[in-house]
Amino acid sequence: DADVTQTPRNRITKTGKRIMLECSQTKGHDRMYWYRQDPGLGLRLIYYSFDVKDINKGEISDGYSVSRQAQAKFSLSLESAIPNQTALYFCATRRDREPGELFFGEGSRLTVL
Amino acid sequence: GQNIDQPTEMTATEGAIVQINCTYQTSGFNGLFWYQQHAGEAPTFLSYNVLDGLEEKGRFSSFLSRSKGYSYLLLKELQMKDSASYLCAVKDSNYQLIWGAGTKLIIKP
Repeated sequence: DADVTQTPRNRITKTGKRIMLECSQTKGHDRMYWYRQDPGLGLRLIYYSFDVKDINKGEISDGYSVSRQAQAKFSLSLESAIPNQTALYFCATRRDREPGELFFGEGSRLTVL
Repeated sequence: GQNIDQPTEMTATEGAIVQINCTYQTSGFNGLFWYQQHAGEAPTFLSYNVLDGLEEKGRFSSFLSRSKGYSYLLLKELQMKDSASYLCAVKDSNYQLIWGAGTKLIIKP
């Protein structure tokens, strides 16, 4: 089983719908992240959380919200999906010591029509 | 602004050596990562450099020059399974990761 699990892996939805992407991890890491990846662009940070009570906006948080339900769970929501939110979304975790490499989930491919 | 530059695509031959360059301009520097990402899959960690010099890990090596804002990933004895995108990422002064767009490496027999 994967250490960082994302659901759903693929989702097609319509403009205006609410979508939730879920992430759970068994690595015991406190730090969790949501990124989106678009062709030709680097990974862009949406939100990150250092623990259950600490949630921070990334560079592209507009149109997204998150919830850290437990140390192991971090969900990303699109309240009203729009077509330019079509992307590959990754959840990642890291431990709080050097080098602090990221461990990524398998990704959730979202298409907004 | 902050910027990471990598070539978009490179082609190499099985069994050969390839060097993927990464140049960066960031507000501060606290380390540089290389990740490998096969098509449709998650990135996986390859290497980390925080001091100048070469870090070797099997067939893969990574070099850093902080004064030049430059790193490279060297892949030796290329195998078909090395066909992937290679992502360079720099940790800035706020310990945030700045990502390059990635280099797609195509290996030909």
